[in-house]
Amino acid sequence: DIQMTQSPSSLSASVGDRVTITCRASQGISNSLAWYQLKPGRAPKLLLYAASRLESGVPSRFSGSGSGTDYTLTISSLQPEDFAAYYCQHYYSTPPYTFGQGTKLEIK
Amino acid sequence: QLQLQESGPGLVKPSETLSLTCTVSGASISSSSYYWGWIRQPPGKGLEWIGNIYHSGSTYYNPSLKSRVTISVDTSKNQFSLTLRSVTAADTAVYYCARPAAGTPALFDYWGQGTLVTVSS
Repeated sequence: DIQMTQSPSSLSASVGDRVTITCRASQGISNSLAWYQLKPGRAPKLLLYAASRLESGVPSRFSGSGSGTDYTLTISSLQPEDFAAYYCQHYYSTPPYTFGQGTKLEIK
Repeated sequence: QLQLQESGPGLVKPSETLSLTCTVSGASISSSSYYWGWIRQPPGKGLEWIGNIYHSGSTYYNPSLKSRVTISVDTSKNQFSLTLRSVTAADTAVYYCARPAAGTPALFDYWGQGTLVTVSS
């Protein structure tokens, strides 16, 4: 099974800050990497797929990069609505399709 | 616009069977090229992929749950269902149904809001 290691587990930041979350796969996943945003009581939201492609309707302040085993999610200028939990997930090859442990982004 | 809605009991007793249904609106569940899936999140923990079912009926399960899980489709009701047998407190979680993007098994672009299932006597 492919393990996804995400860091940090929590992050405090202010509106306007630039933040980066990292995700490392236990083996190469050929950019088959998605990022999701979770807020309590709401349906999870797909932000990026194929490591760097922005899902339709997602603000351009979200970006993704990486290759092989190492990937990052960057929010260029935090907005109040961005304080949430973020998860990476691989969808490479065969199951199980594992998620990272999550990053809780909190207001400083 | 595709919408998914989970439904089912919010409380299940230990050793019993958890059964949830996902009602799909805005698309036919028998459309080709699509999987339908279940994901869960225990309180304070991360997301766990449970399994998928393809439009043809083929199923794919997380090995950690495979012996206890069944996912099925009811095309007449445009629904798909999750059955988890012999539950314990560790199965307490918010359960989400979701649909991956066309041609992918697990790139989930549509999700339900989730339903909390508590396992307790």
